[in-house]
Amino acid sequence: GIQVEQSPPDLILQEGANSTLRCNFSDSVNNLQWFHQNPWGQLINLFYIPSGTKQNGRLSATTVATERYSLLYISSSQTTDSGVYFCAGGYTGANSKLTFGKGITLSVRP
Amino acid sequence: DARVTQTPRDKVTEMGQEVTMRCQPILGHNTVFWYRQTMMQGLELLAYFRNRAPLDDSGMPKDRFSAEMPDATLATLKIQPSEPRDSAVYFCASAPGQTKPFSYEQYFGPGTRLTVT
Repeated sequence: GIQVEQSPPDLILQEGANSTLRCNFSDSVNNLQWFHQNPWGQLINLFYIPSGTKQNGRLSATTVATERYSLLYISSSQTTDSGVYFCAGGYTGANSKLTFGKGITLSVRP
Repeated sequence: DARVTQTPRDKVTEMGQEVTMRCQPILGHNTVFWYRQTMMQGLELLAYFRNRAPLDDSGMPKDRFSAEMPDATLATLKIQPSEPRDSAVYFCASAPGQTKPFSYEQYFGPGTRLTVT
């Protein structure tokens, strides 16, 4: 099956800093999502981004499907951005399954 | 505000007891997933359904776990008998799938935190 690798595994930022989170896939995907798991455990949808670039406020994401990677950008980070960020991918040709990466733990300090 | 709901939110039970977790997918979504999250294994897909039919349950221990969709508004995950190693957070997710608007984007419920002592 598809392998999903996220980097870096942990990230500590000072409030106001920018960061880039990366997700690599071992095989082609056409189904890709980024999630934020908040301290209460809820998985929040950030982006559904099989290809291209999307922006939502201080967050943006870019997926380069031909090179099998996706990037999540966080600008002007806030303490509420802390948590774990997951990317998940799959190929919809046969099914809708998503394989999750291990996550990136982000801590934003005031 | 459409969302996936799960009950119970927390469950503590003794080893050997039956556990039933319930999920109500977003109305109109035809694809439903069950995931399990543990510190060691991360997020793992257990099973999923499309139009109430099970498509893949290869991630599920068959001897003790079972998943069903009695109707389009209810998905259940049962563990019988439960074991301490089943302690985890169980998430349900739903996606529009091939119903309009056409999308594979998954939306997660709040999860059921299961503790088996």
